[in-house]
Amino acid sequence: GAGVSQSPRYKVTKRGQDVALRCDPISGHVSLYWYRQALGQGPEFLTYFNYEAQQDKSGLPNDRFSAERPEGSISTLTIQRTEQRDSAMYRCASSLLAGPETQYFGPGTRLLVL
Amino acid sequence: RKEVEQDPGPFNVPEGATVAFNCTYSNSASQSFFWYRQDCRKEPKLLMSVYSSGNEDGRFTAQLNRASQYISLLIRDSKLSDSATYLCVVNRATDKLIFGTGTRLQVFP
Repeated sequence: GAGVSQSPRYKVTKRGQDVALRCDPISGHVSLYWYRQALGQGPEFLTYFNYEAQQDKSGLPNDRFSAERPEGSISTLTIQRTEQRDSAMYRCASSLLAGPETQYFGPGTRLLVL
Repeated sequence: RKEVEQDPGPFNVPEGATVAFNCTYSNSASQSFFWYRQDCRKEPKLLMSVYSSGNEDGRFTAQLNRASQYISLLIRDSKLSDSATYLCVVNRATDKLIFGTGTRLQVFP
């Protein structure tokens, strides 16, 4: 079956612009996670949802970052007024159930802020 | 100090060698433990969960020492296809996974 998909795969934007990154989880998966991964580092947790409810947003760096999953399926991570330090790989993952289940990662969105 | 620490490597080993990676975690409340594998420019994928009694999956053996708060991964009879970054991951009774920086393995012919 289809895995986790993310779009766009690459995004180049100018400093100060807003960007929206989309994640389409595996169908039927309850939990959806957002991570940011810098080169040579492991994924860093940003936020996650069970169904449409945002459970933990403690990893969001500041209030320019927000996420939603309004219908409990597709999620959008929005970064407002982007800065160069926001450049990274943004990864989405989903798991069938809530809890420490296997997380399936998408291919990521590579964001470059000029 | 990072919550999950790993030697970044790289570990360069010949085919057929046995190689071991260690990982330490700082939060004693951690409850679930995993090894994920990440190939170059690809997404991380679950390699195996780690249980207190230790567990084996083919050439891979994972062990957990709760008292010392470290996790290990042993790979026997290394293959070229084992070349990847191995990420140590812990969970603190929430749904949030904490990843280490990863240990890079390069197996050469």
